[in-house]
Amino acid sequence: ETGVTQTPRHLVMGMTNKKSLKCEQHLGHNAMYWYKQSAKKPLELMFVYSLEERVENNSVPSRFSPECPNSSHLFLHLHTLQPEDSALYLCASSHTTGVLTTEAFFGQGTRLTVV
Amino acid sequence: EDQVTQSPEALRLQEGESSSLNCSYTVSGLRGLFWYRQDPGKGPEFLFTLYSAGEEKEKERLKATLTKKESFLHITAPKPEDSATYLCAVQALTSSNDYKLSFGAGTTVTVRA
Repeated sequence: ETGVTQTPRHLVMGMTNKKSLKCEQHLGHNAMYWYKQSAKKPLELMFVYSLEERVENNSVPSRFSPECPNSSHLFLHLHTLQPEDSALYLCASSHTTGVLTTEAFFGQGTRLTVV
Repeated sequence: EDQVTQSPEALRLQEGESSSLNCSYTVSGLRGLFWYRQDPGKGPEFLFTLYSAGEEKEKERLKATLTKKESFLHITAPKPEDSATYLCAVQALTSSNDYKLSFGAGTTVTVRA
């Protein structure tokens, strides 16, 4: 398998459920990202991990909790979500030297619907 | 704050009818400008990176250019398979924003046969 793989592709969850999104990259990159894409809006950066350390958290609500156990895997744990959290959640990876960050490669996304 | 504005929001073309998409940006020092293509229900697919004004990149029917304030994505003699949403993103030189890509809302291109 190559590239960036996200599972599941689709998820429907109730507001009281707990679920997790998974992302795996096979590109040898050292930075991974979670983005949220809502209809007619630009992609919003949620979290960035570089060398498994979180370097940016764009004021995301605590009901979203990321986890990066190693440089190839990234999770987004979800709990007590709201209907407005329904969106396409995209994982991406890139290579960074701290001075230059290369282009990001994206997974296919998880379409999340909160009911 | 970095800003990226894409226009038009939507573009309908006849097959073979060339056109251009615009990406205007405001950033405190540009590290790189990126173009992506996104098909419905899928993740963005990387197309080009441009680093400095005057730079051009080409791939099949697509050509991206860069000035100090904007970038253009030219589509020459488009085909129906070029139908997609094209996203522009910028990365700032500021060290605190080293990892951040600021995206525009995209231009949705529809090419009719």
